[in-house]
Amino acid sequence: QVQLQESGPGLVKPSGTLSLTCAVSGGSISSSNWWSWVRQPPGKGLEWIGEIYHSGSTNYNPSLKSRVTISVDKSKNQFSLKLSSVTAADTAVYYCARAVVVVVAATRWFDPWGQGTLVTVSS
Amino acid sequence: SYVLTQPPSVSVAPGQTARITCGGNNIGSKSVHWYQQKPGQAPVLVVYDDSDRPSGIPERFSGSNSGNTATLTISRVEAGDEADYYCQVWDSSSDHFGTGTKVTVL
Repeated sequence: QVQLQESGPGLVKPSGTLSLTCAVSGGSISSSNWWSWVRQPPGKGLEWIGEIYHSGSTNYNPSLKSRVTISVDKSKNQFSLKLSSVTAADTAVYYCARAVVVVVAATRWFDPWGQGTLVTVSS
Repeated sequence: SYVLTQPPSVSVAPGQTARITCGGNNIGSKSVHWYQQKPGQAPVLVVYDDSDRPSGIPERFSGSNSGNTATLTISRVEAGDEADYYCQVWDSSSDHFGTGTKVTVL
């Protein structure tokens, strides 16, 4: 079955850029799914960041859109997140997840999820 | 932005039934999905499309959705069901999560 694994630096300096990669195994990133990033600040709830399709099409959370870039590398079966101008408020566990889309029903859900990686923004 | 409101906490005795609500404007017209998150772990999908269960999820987990409220019901609650639960909806090309409910098994 499909498995996802996040990787990247666990510490980023304020005003810097957070960069994470999600490796997809057990399935192709070129399948009919979207690939998403979700984050969770310590002790708080889940926040959707954005998503990408294998064609390169993206959708972003409007509240983060100006700082987020999501890209895909089909040759490596992985996708990546960049979040610029980070502050302490961006400290969170970052998850990647597959979004299963049902177009006719205009709905989607996330399954599976990666294990998550904690990114701390601090000098 | 589409707001989804959940009660912060629900307490239930073992063997009893836990009901977790997710309130949203006309949520009954949308598909709602539910996730279970245990401490230190990633969320796990337990109900999708209002009331369907992924393979491997016990029949004790069920869902319903009508009007302005969706509900996740956990029957015959076990100690292992203690976790945070989140609802999720796709609206206006964005994903929205509920505020989360901590289920405590007494």
